[in-house]
Amino acid sequence: EIELTQSPATLSLSPGERATLSCRASQSVLTYLGWYQQKPGQAPRLLIYDASKRATGIPARFSGSGSGTDFTLTISSLEPEDFAVYFCQQRFKLYTFGPGTKVDVK
Amino acid sequence: EVQLLESGGGLIQPGGSLRLSCAASGFTFSNYAMTWVRQAPGKGLEWVSAIGGRGDSASYAESVKGRFTISRDSSRNTLYLQMDSLRADDTAVYYCANSEGPVNKVYYFDNWGQGTLVTVSS
Repeated sequence: EIELTQSPATLSLSPGERATLSCRASQSVLTYLGWYQQKPGQAPRLLIYDASKRATGIPARFSGSGSGTDFTLTISSLEPEDFAVYFCQQRFKLYTFGPGTKVDVK
Repeated sequence: EVQLLESGGGLIQPGGSLRLSCAASGFTFSNYAMTWVRQAPGKGLEWVSAIGGRGDSASYAESVKGRFTISRDSSRNTLYLQMDSLRADDTAVYYCANSEGPVNKVYYFDNWGQGTLVTVSS
């Protein structure tokens, strides 16, 4: 099974700041990695697929990068609605999720 | 507008069975692979099972293999998850999701339902 680790576990920032979230895979997943946002009491929402492609309707302040084992989700300037938990997910071999990074208000 | 509506959750004793349903609308159901993902209370996401658009290519997480069965009925636009031999660690919110990749394989989880809670407890 491919394991995904995410860091940091919690990221405390203020609106307008830049957020940088990391996801590392236990083996190469090429660019077969996605990112999801989940708010309390809601289902997750797909943000990024294939490492760097924005899903339909996702604002341009969200961007993804990386390949192989190291990936990054960047939120260029945090909006109030961006405070949430973010999960990465690989599809190289079946499907696994990372444990999540919580972005909360500083 | 894509809509996915799960149902069938509830309280069940260990060793019992439950069947979840996911009613789909707003897209051509048979053209999309579908999946189940679960989330234990306060925990992260765990992929459970996936099925191709034609009802082929079923796959399962090791944690549920041999106990859960995924199926679909295109005449009813409905996805199912038959859950047998339930255990306490199956307690979770179960989400269904569709995938906008190839018809026979899930790539990512593009659209999600609101989830249905399954609680396994005596």
